[in-house]
Amino acid sequence: DSGVTQTPKHLITATGQRVTLRCSPRSGDLSVYWYQQSLDQGLQFLIQYYNGEERAKGNILERFSAQQFPDLHSELNLSSLELGDSALYFCASSRTTPSYEQYFGPGTRLTVT
Amino acid sequence: GQQLNQSPQSMFIQEGEDVSMNCTSSSIFNTWLWYKQEPGEGPVLLIALYKAGELTSNGRLTAQFGITRKDSFLNISASIPSDVGIYFCAGHSSGNTPLVFGKGTRLSVIA
Repeated sequence: DSGVTQTPKHLITATGQRVTLRCSPRSGDLSVYWYQQSLDQGLQFLIQYYNGEERAKGNILERFSAQQFPDLHSELNLSSLELGDSALYFCASSRTTPSYEQYFGPGTRLTVT
Repeated sequence: GQQLNQSPQSMFIQEGEDVSMNCTSSSIFNTWLWYKQEPGEGPVLLIALYKAGELTSNGRLTAQFGITRKDSFLNISASIPSDVGIYFCAGHSSGNTPLVFGKGTRLSVIA
């Protein structure tokens, strides 16, 4: 158990819908990272927050957004969902930034039908 | 963008055998990491390497940071069934740039 929690574990929704994925980092970690994992693309970095502020952005679609709250939990919002958004979404956390030693949560499996 | 090429893509080995896998890049990285992912779980950090030429062990796992800074290797000795999973390499270049992950090596161990 990495200490990073993610909810929900599974999510099934229809195209065009909007969903919110939630992540709580390890106790004491200030940095949160979001990744998308699909079969053909591997782990793709989406976005990073550190102590409430956006720190780095990867290939995150404009339909996706995230934020980190004062209690350090983070939410990833995915809107106007398409079939291709079906994937595993992982949250990771680290103590500082930049930090290469990231601890991953169990992931949320999103299925868009 | 930066890409990491992992090989082999998959391996089937007998229990007790040693395993070698590697990760290469056309770009230089200043940090290399190896993660393992088991079904239904997130990746777990196995080894972090911070210096070119560095050789680091974690139990039966040994990883090396290539001297060119463009590659890294992971060896597993005397494999056991619980070694099954996908092994990912990841590299970091500088500053606040994100980690870049390889596509993984899927390891299957036959008892």
